[in-house]
Amino acid sequence: DTEVTQTPKHLVMGMTNKKSLKCEQHMGHRAMYWYKQKAKKPPELMFVYSYEKLSINESVPSRFSPECPNSSLLNLHLHALQPEDSALYLCASSQDNLGAQETQYFGPGTRLLVL
Amino acid sequence: LAKTTQPISMDSYEGQEVNITCSHNNIATNDYITWYQQFPSQGPRFIIQGYKTKVTNEVASLFIPADRKSSTLSLPRVSLSDTAVYYCLVGDGNNDMRFGAGTRLTVKP
Repeated sequence: DTEVTQTPKHLVMGMTNKKSLKCEQHMGHRAMYWYKQKAKKPPELMFVYSYEKLSINESVPSRFSPECPNSSLLNLHLHALQPEDSALYLCASSQDNLGAQETQYFGPGTRLLVL
Repeated sequence: LAKTTQPISMDSYEGQEVNITCSHNNIATNDYITWYQQFPSQGPRFIIQGYKTKVTNEVASLFIPADRKSSTLSLPRVSLSDTAVYYCLVGDGNNDMRFGAGTRLTVKP
C-alpha cells in the first residue's frame, strides 16, 4: 500500500471557524509533511514531523497548528484563517527524514476555501 | 540554498521525446536532484532522482553533466496522459525541500 489519504477532499470555512485536516499513511514511514499550494504555484513546505516530533516549522502563522497523534496520522488544525489561506493543502510521507534525498509520497490534497 | 530555474511551459506531440532542463547553478556537493509530476487536483508524484551522470527507470531518464549545474529530465515517446506540471527539486538531507516553479507540459495529438 503506497497510498497517502487525506480528508476531507474539500472544505469551506468561515474566518471564525475551527476545522481540522487529516492525513493517514500505512507505509511505515517515519516522516510526514504538510505543504500549501496556491493555484499555478509549486508546493510550499509548512511542517515536517520526524518520528512523531515536529522537526521543521517554516515560519507558519499560529492559526495553523499541526499534530501527529501517532506514526500513521497527521492532523492540521485550522483556526481564525484568512481568505488568503485558501489553497490546496497537501500531506506527504517518506521513509525517513532525509529531506530532499527522500522520495515523498503525496496525498491528493484538501482544497480549502476560506470565506 | 540551491535555486532552480525551469521553462514555464513546453508543448509536444504524441510519440515525441521531451527533454525538460532544470538549471541549478548553486547546487551543493550533497544535493540530490529529484523530479516530480503533478496532475491537476492531485498531489505530486515521484518520477526520478539522481546525483550525477545518468539515471534511468521505467518512465524517464535523468541526465546530469559533470558540473551538476543543470539536469535534464527525458520522457521518451510521450502520450496525452503525460500532460502535467513537472517540478525539479534540488536539496540535501537537511529538509531543504524547495520545489522549482515547475514546467507545464502539454502533449498534443
